[in-house]
Amino acid sequence: LAKTTQPISMDSYEGQEVNITCSHNNIATNDYITWYQQFPSQGPRFIIQGYKTKVTNEVASLFIPADRKSSTLSLPRVSLSDTAVYYCLVEVSNYQLIWGAGTKLIIKP
Amino acid sequence: NAGVTQTPKFRVLKTGQSMTLLCAQDMNHEYMYWYRQDPGMGLRLIHYSVGEGTTAKGEVPDGYNVSRLKKQNFLLGLESAAPSQTSVYFCASSSRQYTEAFFGQGTRLTVV
Repeated sequence: LAKTTQPISMDSYEGQEVNITCSHNNIATNDYITWYQQFPSQGPRFIIQGYKTKVTNEVASLFIPADRKSSTLSLPRVSLSDTAVYYCLVEVSNYQLIWGAGTKLIIKP
Repeated sequence: NAGVTQTPKFRVLKTGQSMTLLCAQDMNHEYMYWYRQDPGMGLRLIHYSVGEGTTAKGEVPDGYNVSRLKKQNFLLGLESAAPSQTSVYFCASSSRQYTEAFFGQGTRLTVV
């Protein structure tokens, strides 16, 4: 059974690149990895999704090594508004949705 | 375009009372989900639906029932509320599996 593990919290500074890693053992070849962002008193918001190598969109990049035992969300040049909780999600083929406990990211000026 | 709307936003129940949470989406999505979120535990899937008239159990279904009589609505029912069901409940929808899910603003439920 897949399980996701991510750091509880991280700090960084404005303008820096932030990398948040999620460990996920026992995931299958076709399982997708998705990252969401959540602000207080709001629902999670989709950031990026992939299942192998590298995916990039206008706000983030997702790196998945060949063994797929982890994935890294990369946020380029963060700002204060990126302070939020970031969740890693593994979507397994039989409708299992395995969420990490979330990483609280604090961006300092 | 409202997206995903949850009703109510807040509710306090006494132990043993029942209630229904309503989720409505206007994106014509096939898939809908109910989650609960507790401090330090991330989101846990309660029930989900892959289309009108279908429902299935998620990770933590006990004590909850759901119905999807119309494609745009997904109802979550608590027949006899317990303090352990105090949580924030989120509804979400997506067009298909393995794609972006859109979440509502959440319902904060307290059972006393």
